[in-house]
Amino acid sequence: QQQVKQSPQSLIVQKGGISIINCAYENTAFDYFPWYQQFPGKGPALLIAIRPDVSEKKEGRFTISFNKSAKQFSLHIMDSQPGDSATYFCAAVYSGGGADGLTFGKGTHLIIQP
Amino acid sequence: DAGVTQSPTHLIKTRGQHVTLRCSPISGHKSVSWYQQVLGQGPQFIFQYYEKEERGRGNFPDRFSARQFPNYSSELNVNALLLGDSALYLCASSWGRRNTEAFFGQGTRLTVV
Repeated sequence: QQQVKQSPQSLIVQKGGISIINCAYENTAFDYFPWYQQFPGKGPALLIAIRPDVSEKKEGRFTISFNKSAKQFSLHIMDSQPGDSATYFCAAVYSGGGADGLTFGKGTHLIIQP
Repeated sequence: DAGVTQSPTHLIKTRGQHVTLRCSPISGHKSVSWYQQVLGQGPQFIFQYYEKEERGRGNFPDRFSARQFPNYSSELNVNALLLGDSALYLCASSWGRRNTEAFFGQGTRLTVV
């Protein structure tokens, strides 16, 4: 059962453009939503994260937009660069006392064309 | 500061064998989690250990086990390897019990033949 749905599966953006990746979740018990960037042969690297009480968070060229009522959140990469070409994963963490780990989306393979 | 370190980086095993993967968390982090990442998919949660106790377990068979040592390093053990166990095994560390601000190692690429 996929609890975090991510789209698109792949994305091609021109250099300087805006890359947008979307995620949706069903379980309202999630309360922390990070995005990870992964290059081939490497582990995922934490990019930026948001909590549901905030509608937007920006760090450099990366922005998370969060819509709590729609249970959706998205990553925007402004002024996309070839070095941003990687696989991006959204994830979610439960607010409960148990340790269920990070629940990941299936990933988006982003290619920035020069 | 050293990040999360995993060893070995690559491993080839035969079906039915046993494997042990190792992880050293970031200094000061008390929580270690293990994930399996099959090619083309997102990581899947296997275990979390916090303060040397198992705090969570994903939907994996009993062939998978883990432990955390007094220095907070961790081992993941997989018995009776199957071809389907071939994957990138990732270790993540975080300071507290919850998996917020989790940082991943580079992973161990396990190939079962």
